[in-house]
Amino acid sequence: EAGVTQFPSHSVIEKGQTVTLRCDPISGHDNLYWYRRVMGKEIKFLLHFVKESKQDESGMPNNRFLAERTGGTYSTLKVQPAELEDSGVYFCASSLYRDRGLLSTEAFFGQGTRLTVV
Amino acid sequence: GIQVEQSPPDLILQEGANSTLRCNFSDSVNNLQWFHQNPWGQLINLFYIPSGTKQNGRLSATTVATERYSLLYISSSQTTDSGVYFCAVYSGNTPLVFGKGTRLSVIA
Repeated sequence: EAGVTQFPSHSVIEKGQTVTLRCDPISGHDNLYWYRRVMGKEIKFLLHFVKESKQDESGMPNNRFLAERTGGTYSTLKVQPAELEDSGVYFCASSLYRDRGLLSTEAFFGQGTRLTVV
Repeated sequence: GIQVEQSPPDLILQEGANSTLRCNFSDSVNNLQWFHQNPWGQLINLFYIPSGTKQNGRLSATTVATERYSLLYISSSQTTDSGVYFCAVYSGNTPLVFGKGTRLSVIA
């Protein structure tokens, strides 16, 4: 079974340009998460989809970031326009289900997209 | 929100040595995962361990949820074990919260 897949693995863009990251979760996983690690710091939560709905987007840094998950399958994260501080590694993760207050199933992460804004 | 603290922040080992990494968390958790970020940046699942002890080869982990900590043991370390080890927890309805990681360097 394929794991979580992210495209591209690396992206170098100029400040002000637009970049779109893609994540294909494990088939059948309703939960999809985006995280990022900036400048070797902590891995921070960005947002959480349950199927096609945004469950929690409290971690999105500003309105330059737009995430979508059409049809509850793959997800895209667009940064427009990109700024220097957006550089980092963007991770996507998926899990089978998440019961509120109960045991959460294991989250599996993709290999990440390394974004460099110059 | 929940705080996750990992120690030590950095660790240098001679190949073949054993080590223990610690993860403390400030509140009760629904679940806990350990990850290894390898030099290529990939996050590899190591353990999914809300409580108790699990072993996988040279690695083992113990979570004592009532005392709010988890330990990751690495025995007979190898250079391929180098990288950053992250602990991450679920608490209530929060998303997975990561610690700052322990950077491990194993030298030959």
